[in-house]
Amino acid sequence: DQQVKQNSPSLSVQEGRISILNCDYTNSMFDYFLWYKKYPAEGPTFLISISSIKDKNEDGRFTVFLNKSAKHLSLHIVPSQPGDSAVYFCAASGGGGSNYKLTFGKGTLLTVNP
Amino acid sequence: KAGVTQTPRYLIKTRGQQVTLSCSPISGHRSVSWYQQTPGQGLQFLFEYFSETQRNKGNFPGRFSGRQFSNSRSEMNVSTLELGDSALYLCASSYLAGQETQYFGPGTRLLVL
Repeated sequence: DQQVKQNSPSLSVQEGRISILNCDYTNSMFDYFLWYKKYPAEGPTFLISISSIKDKNEDGRFTVFLNKSAKHLSLHIVPSQPGDSAVYFCAASGGGGSNYKLTFGKGTLLTVNP
Repeated sequence: KAGVTQTPRYLIKTRGQQVTLSCSPISGHRSVSWYQQTPGQGLQFLFEYFSETQRNKGNFPGRFSGRQFSNSRSEMNVSTLELGDSALYLCASSYLAGQETQYFGPGTRLLVL
């Protein structure tokens, strides 16, 4: 039962264009969402997060949008740079009580072509 | 501040052996979580410790265990290793819990032969 889904295993964009990575979730108790970037042989690096009380959070070139009714979030990277090439993981937490674990999607490999 | 550190970075074991991995969280962080990453399953939650107490546990067999010390450092242990335990084991820390961002270490790559 995959509660966080990233349906696109890979995405390829041109440098300077927008990259849009998508994530869907099924657990309506999730109330905190994060995006991580991961290079090979390294741990995930935190990028940006959003609480369920917001629908948008922006940090430089990165913007995360949350649509609670659709149980969907997306990460926009504008403009995309070759150094952004990595695997991007969407993660969610929540559910009340002591359920603070992160549930991850399986990741999307982003390739930004020069 | 130094980031999350994990030792060792790489490890080779044989089936049936046991292994202990170590994680030092970011200074001041009190919560430590462990995850297993495999190509087929992505990142899967193992367990979380806070103030030396396990607060949350994922769906892994009892061969996987952990503990946290008073200085917040954590260890995880896998006994009777199986080939399928080959994975990248990641540790993440946060100050408290709840709506807290977790920061990851570089991981320990375990290969079971």
